[in-house]
Amino acid sequence: SQTIHQWPATLVQPVGSPLSLECTVEGTSNPNLYWYRQAAGRGLQLLFYSVGIGQISSEVPQNLSASRPQDRQFILSSKKLLLSDSGFYLCAWSGVRKSSYNSPLHFGNGTRLTVT
Amino acid sequence: DAKTTQPNSMESNEEEPVHLPCNHSTISGTDYIHWYRQLPSQGPEYVIHGLTSNVNNRMASLAIAEDRKSSTLILHRATLRDAAVYYCTPRGSQGNLIFGKGTKLSVKP
Repeated sequence: SQTIHQWPATLVQPVGSPLSLECTVEGTSNPNLYWYRQAAGRGLQLLFYSVGIGQISSEVPQNLSASRPQDRQFILSSKKLLLSDSGFYLCAWSGVRKSSYNSPLHFGNGTRLTVT
Repeated sequence: DAKTTQPNSMESNEEEPVHLPCNHSTISGTDYIHWYRQLPSQGPEYVIHGLTSNVNNRMASLAIAEDRKSSTLILHRATLRDAAVYYCTPRGSQGNLIFGKGTKLSVKP
């Protein structure tokens, strides 16, 4: 069966510090991968998605970046965090590329980031 | 990309059916409607999805209006564990899900 891992679960970082959040998927190949962010009391906002290794699309301009160095690994990074980067970050995957358009998304348990 | 409208909150009694509505009047003809739910401090969990016909699975039923401008998620017997925020989400042009603020469902014992 497929599983998705995100770490760390919680993180407190000072303003201006770097960030690296990692997400890995097991039990599937060529997944579509997504990073979402949820600010307090708000809905989920798509940040990045990837349909393959090295292929990253950004939905919202910001000081965050994403990379996909391996098929089932998705990394969210920042060189210098802002207070506004605080939130709940969620990684998700969906089925193989051909049928991915309407296949469900499977989410990890998220990372709660607090920038102080 | 299509947008959705859901009530901010709903209440239900335990073991009673719950009907959660969603309006998606701008949905395209090929977009499936997905429903997810989210418990506090957890990632969203897939519930059900459909295109035109009503759909059933072990978690819920999905009733889709004939004109596809609205749908209703049906929990046949609400339990305390069903208390969550429920999102009705169309797929975006890149295969992503578009999340609104959802409906917060409270279940009273």
